[in-house]
Amino acid sequence: TQLLEQSPQFLSIQEGENLTVYCNSSSVFSSLQWYRQEPGEGPVLLVTVVTGGEVKKLKRLTFQFGDARKDSSLHITAAQPGDTGLYLCAGVAGANNLFFGTGTRLTVIP
Amino acid sequence: DAGITQSPRYKITETGRQVTLMCHQTWSHSYMFWYRQDLGHGLRLIYYSAAADITDKGEVPDGYVVSRSKTENFPLTLESATRSQTSVYFCASKRRRGRELFFGEGSRLTVL
Repeated sequence: TQLLEQSPQFLSIQEGENLTVYCNSSSVFSSLQWYRQEPGEGPVLLVTVVTGGEVKKLKRLTFQFGDARKDSSLHITAAQPGDTGLYLCAGVAGANNLFFGTGTRLTVIP
Repeated sequence: DAGITQSPRYKITETGRQVTLMCHQTWSHSYMFWYRQDLGHGLRLIYYSAAADITDKGEVPDGYVVSRSKTENFPLTLESATRSQTSVYFCASKRRRGRELFFGEGSRLTVL
């Protein structure tokens, strides 16, 4: 089992604030994905990062893959209530081996 | 445009009973997966299938059985349900060369 730890586990912030979520592992991954899950639904892919050091932006969300391909971060600028949800990182270690992190539950208060 | 559907969405059963969760996808994706989601554990892979009649164990396969006689269906059976199998179960699919998993809406199972 390749453990992916996310921090913080829970995060409650006011609308307009910035935040960063971390995803750490001792294992190297060929790529890393971030998913968002809303209550009563399945996770939906936000982004895949492949190259060590890669940075991808999706509107107010910035994703970074660590240089050593063992960790990743998700930064949200000026959070909005619509960003509320469970954020899951997932490390890809082969064609079919996707290991999910424990998740960060974000609540953005209007 | 159904995509991937799971049934039932909610199920309550008793210890020792057999339960089957159904998963159906309309995309003809090669790969299908079953995950369970529990607080503090994230999503853990139970079984996956690369094609019809090809299945393989994931991280937590004990107590579960799968089959895939048709590409579009991937049922998950708990042969004798236990309380520790109370969870939310997600089915997902993926194109053969794709990276993205497409998830169903989940099946919440409670074993009393």
